Amino acid sequence: EDKVVQSPLSLVVHEGDTVTLNCSYEVTNFRSLLWYKQEKKAPTFLFMLTSSGIEKKSGRLSSILDKKELFSILNITATQTGDSAVYLCAGGYPGAGSYQLTFGKGTKLSVIP
Amino acid sequence: DSGVTQTPKHLITATGQRVTLRCSPRSGDLSVYWYQQSLDQGLQFLIQYYNGEERAKGNILERFSAQQFPDLHSELNLSSLELGDSALYFCASSVGGVGELFFGEGSRLTVL
Repeated sequence: EDKVVQSPLSLVVHEGDTVTLNCSYEVTNFRSLLWYKQEKKAPTFLFMLTSSGIEKKSGRLSSILDKKELFSILNITATQTGDSAVYLCAGGYPGAGSYQLTFGKGTKLSVIP
Repeated sequence: DSGVTQTPKHLITATGQRVTLRCSPRSGDLSVYWYQQSLDQGLQFLIQYYNGEERAKGNILERFSAQQFPDLHSELNLSSLELGDSALYFCASSVGGVGELFFGEGSRLTVL
């Protein structure tokens, strides 16, 4: 059975800290690793990684994928209170004429002033 | 705003009842996915439709069913509701193929 495991499950940091969120996966026919941020309701897309070793960056957020070791990390530098959210990662794979995502349970990040 | 619209936003009902959740995908997206999110289970995939056809099934109970209509909106029907069905139900859409899903705001179902 496919699984995606995130760690830690929760994290409390102070503004300005740098955090690293971990995601390991075992997904059959794996094609991509996606990161989402979920604040109050809808998960919003952050990154999709398909190639190993290539870092993707967006402002203070960056992510990298290691397809050999089957994991990804999401880094957030100079954290702000607005970064407080649940961060979800998902392994993507092609299904029968469709594309599927298996999600981890998320890491709840709390940034305190 | 992702462009995916879900109604109703909140729903409170009693055990044994039946409810219908509705989703309108982003303009141009042919794939619709339904997910259930409860506190201890995370996002669980239920079912996916592509251009009106069922394409994949996940952990969907037999009491649940869905369909996608010619105008591409989708409905998720939940029947014989139990307390454990209380959750946030998300609809997501995508163009199809390899790419990110865009999520609606969710429908929070509370079964009393």
